[in-house]
Amino acid sequence: GAVVSQHPSWVICKSGTSVKIECRSLDFQATTMFWYRQFPKQSLMLMATSNEGSKATYEQGVEKDKFLINHASLTLSTLTVTSAHPEDSSFYICSARADRDYEQYFGPGTRLTVT
Amino acid sequence: GQNIDQPTEMTATEGAIVQINCTYQTSGFNGLFWYQQHAGEAPTFLSYNVLDGLEEKGRFSSFLSRSKGYSYLLLKELQMKDSASYLCAVRDGDYKLSFGAGTTVTVRA
Repeated sequence: GAVVSQHPSWVICKSGTSVKIECRSLDFQATTMFWYRQFPKQSLMLMATSNEGSKATYEQGVEKDKFLINHASLTLSTLTVTSAHPEDSSFYICSARADRDYEQYFGPGTRLTVT
Repeated sequence: GQNIDQPTEMTATEGAIVQINCTYQTSGFNGLFWYQQHAGEAPTFLSYNVLDGLEEKGRFSSFLSRSKGYSYLLLKELQMKDSASYLCAVRDGDYKLSFGAGTTVTVRA
């Protein structure tokens, strides 16, 4: 089956710094990638949708200047959390979809802790 | 937007059957998914329904009624490893998924 990787698996950073999370589709070309955030004991909330070569579409309430998304190639999307604060601590999960495919394939997630 | 409801918790005994219901109200429907998620891990795909009826996949089955905005996931012959959160997700025409809050299933010996 299709494999999606994320790097890093977990990261601890200090308040005010920026963190970049990578999402890669390893064995297929992902025309669309999605970024989700999940707080403890809550469900996944879609943050943004990115299509290769175009600007990401952000969900209502998600600050696009704080969560920078780049989808520069068909196998890589990055999420940069800028000026991170403790309230940004969460589990960030990406998923990827190929054209004409009904399924989204999820990455293993990145646990971000901001101290 | 989507409004997706599922029970918060369910408990069952090993070997038993459990049915997790999901109701949804949607502004656009393009399929319903069920995922399993263990704590601290990403969701894993269980099933997909886009037409009415039952889809069976080993010990797991999923049912959809589009007219009623209703789905269920049926877990048969429960095993301890089935203890997890089960997420109902509805997809819209832009392939975006909206997730329910998840149902935590606890399997007891």
